[in-house]
Amino acid sequence: KAGVTQTPRYLIKTRGQQVTLSCSPISGHRSVSWYQQTPGQGLQFLFEYFSETQRNKGNFPGRFSGRQFSNSRSEMNVSTLELGDSALYLCASRKGTDSTDTQYFGPGTRLTVL
Amino acid sequence: AQKVTQAQTEISVVEKEDVTLDCVYETRDTTYYLFWYKQPPSGELVFLIRRNSFDEQNEISGRYSWNFQKSTSSFNFTITASQVVDSAVYFCAIFHLNTGNQFYFGTGTSLTVIP
Repeated sequence: KAGVTQTPRYLIKTRGQQVTLSCSPISGHRSVSWYQQTPGQGLQFLFEYFSETQRNKGNFPGRFSGRQFSNSRSEMNVSTLELGDSALYLCASRKGTDSTDTQYFGPGTRLTVL
Repeated sequence: AQKVTQAQTEISVVEKEDVTLDCVYETRDTTYYLFWYKQPPSGELVFLIRRNSFDEQNEISGRYSWNFQKSTSSFNFTITASQVVDSAVYFCAIFHLNTGNQFYFGTGTSLTVIP
């Protein structure tokens, strides 16, 4: 069974630009969550989508948005990039939103903002 | 508050030594799940174990073992006879069913196993 895939793996952007990251969950998984990982802040929850609906949201500004498609694939968008947005963005999928469902992570997209 | 504390930022051990990674959590919920993930240099978080709050049985999987103690709100992870391939950052996480309905991760412990 294929794992969670994320594209692209690496991205370099400049301040003010916008970026879209993509995540394909494990087949059969309907929940996708996004995390930002930085050396200073660790792993921070961005949002979770289930059945095309955002179920939960972390404490990030509105520049960070996401969506989920009917095939459970998800995209995350960051507009008006700032230097502080440089991070590893991790996507995780799980079957549903039940507490017994384990999250499985993708390899991440490393975003560098210059 | 929902919080996970991994007080050990970095640990170095010599190959074949045993090492314990500490995890202390805070929660108001009676139902919750605890997790350990391993993040090798490649970046992908690898799931290691899940434990629910009603199951305090310790678990052993090969060289890995986990000690869950509700009385001290701890979920420690021990690697026996460490190997160089164990070098990674290890994260402890908690999922609350009734509060926040999201995963909260500790800041991670970076383990280096020296050959």
